[in-house]
Amino acid sequence: AQSVTQLDSQVPVFEEAPVELRCNYSSSVSVYLFWYVQYPNQGLQLLLKYLSGSTLVKGINGFEAEFNKSQTSFHLRKPSVHISDTAEYFCAVLSGGYNKLIFGAGTRLAVHP
Amino acid sequence: EAQVTQNPRYLITVTGKKLTVTCSQNMNHEYMSWYRQDPGLGLRQIYYSMNVEVTDKGDVPEGYKVSRKEKRNFPLILESPSPNQTSLYFCASSWAGGNTGELFFGEGSRLTVL
Repeated sequence: AQSVTQLDSQVPVFEEAPVELRCNYSSSVSVYLFWYVQYPNQGLQLLLKYLSGSTLVKGINGFEAEFNKSQTSFHLRKPSVHISDTAEYFCAVLSGGYNKLIFGAGTRLAVHP
Repeated sequence: EAQVTQNPRYLITVTGKKLTVTCSQNMNHEYMSWYRQDPGLGLRQIYYSMNVEVTDKGDVPEGYKVSRKEKRNFPLILESPSPNQTSLYFCASSWAGGNTGELFFGEGSRLTVL
């Protein structure tokens, strides 16, 4: 069964600093990987996705992620964060069912001034 | 505006009192799904629907029912709620044109069962 592990439950960072949110997946077949963001009191929205092709994927709000097959990782990065990036971030993998996503436990990013 | 609308957003109820959480989408999506979000567990799928009158269980269906009589609506029914169903619930939808994992989520319904 496919699974996703987010290695950090909380990541505090100062404004304008770089950040990396770590995600590892387990799968023996081709993977489709996603990052979703949940702002306070809102639903989730798609940040970026990897389906195939280039391993470096760019998303909205200046975020990017790199698919690393050998390390089974899909870490999310941003070179300079803003206060408005404070949110919970979920890594997910597309499972065997149609449009069924398996989510990680989430990483809470707190950006401080 | 394209959106997925859930109601109620917040609800406190008591054990055994039947309740329904409604979900409606205005994007003409065929696929709809319910997830619950619990701390440390992420989101887990409860039920999903590929189209009208087609529903199937997700990973945690016990204690829940769904129906899909219209394309736009996908209510979640708790016939006899219990405290372990206290959670944050999300409805999501997508088109059926491709298995891309791109879901559109509602804003969530926070349910407390006493």
